[in-house]
Amino acid sequence: AQSVAQPEDQVNVAEGNPLTVKCTYSVSGNPYLFWYVQYPNRGLQFLLKYITGDNLVKGSYGFEAEFNKSQTSFHLKKPSALVSDSALYFCAVRAPFGSSNTGKLIFGQGTTLQVKP
Amino acid sequence: DGGITQSPKYLFRKEGQNVTLSCEQNLNHDAMYWYRQDPGQGLRLIYYSQIVNDFQKGDIAEGYSVSREKKESFPLTVTSAQKNPTAFYLCASSSSFSGTGNNEQFFGPGTRLTVL
Repeated sequence: AQSVAQPEDQVNVAEGNPLTVKCTYSVSGNPYLFWYVQYPNRGLQFLLKYITGDNLVKGSYGFEAEFNKSQTSFHLKKPSALVSDSALYFCAVRAPFGSSNTGKLIFGQGTTLQVKP
Repeated sequence: DGGITQSPKYLFRKEGQNVTLSCEQNLNHDAMYWYRQDPGQGLRLIYYSQIVNDFQKGDIAEGYSVSREKKESFPLTVTSAQKNPTAFYLCASSSSFSGTGNNEQFFGPGTRLTVL
């Protein structure tokens, strides 16, 4: 069965510094991987996805993520953090096309990013 | 949140009552989903629908029911059998359930349900 782990409940970064939010996954075959952001009392907003191709994926608001198959990781990164990036971030994995669970997203427990001025 | 609306934003329920949460999408998506979010936990799938007039149980379906009579609507009923319904409920949709490529899920703004 597929699973996602976000090992850090909270990440604290100073504004202007680079940030990394970690995600590791477990899935048979080639995964579809996603990052979402959630602001307080709001729905989730899609940031980026990895389906195939380049391991470095660029997404919304200057975020990017690096797919590393050997380490089964998909860490979210941004070169220079903004206070407005403070939010809850979710990593998700979807089973590969053709598997019995394809279509379902499995979410990590979320990581709170706090960017301080 | 564009394209998916949920109502109401806040909902209060007395013990023993059934309540229905609305979810509507104008994205012409085939697949729709209901998730429950509790503090410190990821999203858990309650029910999903791959296509109109069809739906399947997710991981935590007990105490919930759904219908999918129209493509754009996927209401969720929280029944009195759900023992701990206080949570944030999120509806989502995607262009297809099992297709490849561009079928990421888009989320509505959520409904916060509180049992009094």
